[in-house]
Amino acid sequence: DTEVTQTPKHLVMGMTNKKSLKCEQHMGHRAMYWYKQKAKKPPELMFVYSYEKLSINESVPSRFSPECPNSSLLNLHLHALQPEDSALYLCASSQPLTSGRYNEQFFGPGTRLTVL
Amino acid sequence: AQTVTQSQPEMSVQEAETVTLSCTYDTSENNYYLFWYKQPPSRQMILVIRQEAYKQQNATENRFSVNFQKAAKSFSLKISDSQLGDTAMYFCALDMRFGAGTRLTVKP
Repeated sequence: DTEVTQTPKHLVMGMTNKKSLKCEQHMGHRAMYWYKQKAKKPPELMFVYSYEKLSINESVPSRFSPECPNSSLLNLHLHALQPEDSALYLCASSQPLTSGRYNEQFFGPGTRLTVL
Repeated sequence: AQTVTQSQPEMSVQEAETVTLSCTYDTSENNYYLFWYKQPPSRQMILVIRQEAYKQQNATENRFSVNFQKAAKSFSLKISDSQLGDTAMYFCALDMRFGAGTRLTVKP
């Protein structure tokens, strides 16, 4: 199975709502990532988990809260978002390398988030 | 800090022709990985090709090849025999940092 799945595909939420994005992979990868992508822009790295521990947080606002319950799952909890947070949220996974670098990433199809 | 620069926002090529997409980067690391990713209009990002910085030999994958110049910090992608299905955004990436992308259109 070389697939990264993300649910839901689309999400519309108000600024006072709490919602979660989910990501799953069964490739045995031990690194998982969240990216935010605005239209016609590159993915912006948000968080990296390596061996289920948060290793990189790109100064993301606290209204985004990541969670890695196990090596196959990655969640992104959303609370009190702003309209400017509307974007495509991409999940990816890869195998960390012994050198401390990261190998090529496998991406999910993304969740299209709209904040009203 | 690591930076990746793609200076060609848009490019077009005729079907069956060859096109080269440019990428430059900056890093203080000596051992790193470079990637080209493709994001078609359906938006699922997929890997095109990867290059390990300690390998001098340029990577190739079928019609895709790179010209990796480590000293110049340059990493260009050559697509030979372009096909309509190559139409997509192409992102150059250094580890997990992405350039701004190049929108490639292959014309029939």
